[in-house]
Amino acid sequence: GENVEQHPSTLSVQEGDSAVIKCTYSDSASNYFPWYKQELGKRPQLIIDIRSNVGEKKDQRIAVTLNKTAKHFSLHITETQPEDSAVYFCAARNYGGSQGNLIFGKGTKLSVKP
Amino acid sequence: NAGVTQTPKFRILKIGQSMTLQCTQDMNHNYMYWYRQDPGMGLKLIYYSVGAGITDKGEVPNGYNVSRSTTEDFPLRLELAAPSQTSVYFCASSYERGSYEQYFGPGTRLTVT
Repeated sequence: GENVEQHPSTLSVQEGDSAVIKCTYSDSASNYFPWYKQELGKRPQLIIDIRSNVGEKKDQRIAVTLNKTAKHFSLHITETQPEDSAVYFCAARNYGGSQGNLIFGKGTKLSVKP
Repeated sequence: NAGVTQTPKFRILKIGQSMTLQCTQDMNHNYMYWYRQDPGMGLKLIYYSVGAGITDKGEVPNGYNVSRSTTEDFPLRLELAAPSQTSVYFCASSYERGSYEQYFGPGTRLTVT
């Protein structure tokens, strides 16, 4: 089955710097890769996602890149702000396969210092 | 729309007790999910449902049961609670047409002592 590894587990940056979180997946049939943000004590919320027919997707200060050959994808946050502090989870899914459920990474705790 | 709602928010169980975690969504989503989140870990899928009357096991189904009699409701049953079931439980739903986004409920924090 699918396995998703996420690095780093913790990341601390200064306000205004960029942050990058990387994930690798094992199942080459996976074709959907979302990123969820979870603030302390809150529910996970989707912030951006990418499908396997696209190499990069941007939404204001956040972007996701996908390298299907290497089976890894990354979240990029530019001009970080204190409100970006949260735990970020990547996930992978094979739509259309027999095991078409989201497999999550273990999360990255991002701290943005003012 | 209330989205996905869960009750209770908190619960303490004694070992061997049983309980049902309630989940309701008002978005007419066909897919619903139950996840557990242990401290410092990601979300693990317990059970999921692709529509009323259809359920299937996820990664960690042992010790749990589900039912889906309506589109809106997807309760999770814990039988014979064990300390290993201490966790935060999230229910989620998705439409699975066009957007694959899963919408999460606020979670239930369960402690088994």
